[in-house]
Amino acid sequence: DAKTTQPNSMESNEEEPVHLPCNHSTISGTDYIHWYRQLPSQGPEYVIHGLTSNVNNRMASLAIAEDRKSSTLILHRATLRDAAVYYCIHPRGGADGLTFGKGTHLIIQP
Amino acid sequence: SQTIHQWPATLVQPVGSPLSLECTVEGTSNPNLYWYRQAAGRGLQLLFYSVGIGQISSEVPQNLSASRPQDRQFILSSKKLLLSDSGFYLCAWSVRLNTGELFFGEGSRLTVL
Repeated sequence: DAKTTQPNSMESNEEEPVHLPCNHSTISGTDYIHWYRQLPSQGPEYVIHGLTSNVNNRMASLAIAEDRKSSTLILHRATLRDAAVYYCIHPRGGADGLTFGKGTHLIIQP
Repeated sequence: SQTIHQWPATLVQPVGSPLSLECTVEGTSNPNLYWYRQAAGRGLQLLFYSVGIGQISSEVPQNLSASRPQDRQFILSSKKLLLSDSGFYLCAWSVRLNTGELFFGEGSRLTVL
C-alpha cells in the first residue's frame, strides 16, 4: 500500500465532533480510501470506505477532498467508546492485503 | 452470517519451541485470508496472504510459515520461535479487498520467553 500520513494522536471531549485527517498524496484514481479503528487488545474494525464522493454510515462520515489527496473521518458525537487508534489506508488493487501504519491515537476526555 | 475464529487466544512459549496458530472462517467461500502481527506499540505488519488453497504469499522474510490446507482454514507455524516473534497475531479475511471490508479475528497473543 502507498503511504498515508496521519497525526500521531488527537484529543477531544465527549459528545463533541471529531475530525481525523489523513493525507494520501500518492493515491491513484482507482484506489479506495479505507478507515479502520482498533480498540486495545482487539483486531481492527472496519469503519468506512469511499472513492470520490463523501460517504456516511452509522459509525462515521468520510469527507474526501476533490483532488483525493486527503480525507477526513468525522465522528459526529464522540463517546468514550470511540477512543481507539484510527487507521487510514488506500490499498492497491487485488488481494494482497492492507498495510496499516501507526494511525492516530484518539483520546476522548469525559 | 460470516464468522472468523482463531486460537489459541494466548500462549507463552519458550525460545526454540514450535508454534501453530489456527484460523477458520465460516459462512463464506473462497475468501482471501491474511495473517498480521502487531508488536507492542507498533502498527500491524502483514505477514502472509492467500487467495486459495495451497496458495501462500509472504510479505516479509522471517522464520514463520503459513499454510492453507482447506478453503477456510489458515495456519501460521514456526519450527523454532525467537524472542522477536512475540506479539499479537491477527487472522483476517476478505472477499474483495480494494472495494470491500477486511474482517479480523479476535487475535492470539504470543509471548516468547
